Amino acid sequence: ILNVEQSPQSLHVQEGDSTNFTCSFPSSNFYALHWYRWETAKSPEALFVMTLNGDEKKKGRISATLNTKEGYSYLYIKGSQPEDSATYLCAFISNAGKSTFGDGTTLTVKP
Amino acid sequence: DTAVSQTPKYLVTQMGNDKSIKCEQNLGHDTMYWYKQDSKKFLKIMFSYNNKELIINETVPNRFSPKSPDKAHLNLHINSLELGDSAVYFCASSQSRTGFAGELFFGEGSRLTVL
Repeated sequence: ILNVEQSPQSLHVQEGDSTNFTCSFPSSNFYALHWYRWETAKSPEALFVMTLNGDEKKKGRISATLNTKEGYSYLYIKGSQPEDSATYLCAFISNAGKSTFGDGTTLTVKP
Repeated sequence: DTAVSQTPKYLVTQMGNDKSIKCEQNLGHDTMYWYKQDSKKFLKIMFSYNNKELIINETVPNRFSPKSPDKAHLNLHINSLELGDSAVYFCASSQSRTGFAGELFFGEGSRLTVL
């Protein structure tokens, strides 16, 4: 059984705060790491696909880093806005093509 | 124009019935998936098809049978429904030309309630 763990489980921040969350995953059989944003009553949408150790990706105020040797990825949000409120999922993709999702970090940004 | 569409969105049925959920994608992807969102809100892979061929089959009861008539469709048929089958089922697709790294595009989910 693969363990993909995300922390914290939930996070409440004020508008304008910067925040980050962690995804930890097995360091063996790694193929890719995905980050998804999942708003209530919608379906998950991809933020980043990361494949190489040391990868850093950025989309607007959101960025992510990847360390495949130690098995973790960080997602950063700079200057959080209420519209950033969502659950952020990471998914570990093994070299057999199987995806294992973490249980998500639910972010609430208060105006 | 919905990229990954699932029908029905809601399904309420009695224990013991047989039901199907359909999924279609118009993205030209060649890999499709079924995920189950369990009671703890986790997304768990059930099946994956690549070009109509089953490539991932997790430990799912054999009452669940996926069928892929072509690479744009992946249907999920469930026989002899049980209370524990109540969940939200998500279909997804990806393009495998990048290997397994292709991002997943999800449908809106089908909420199945078994009474």
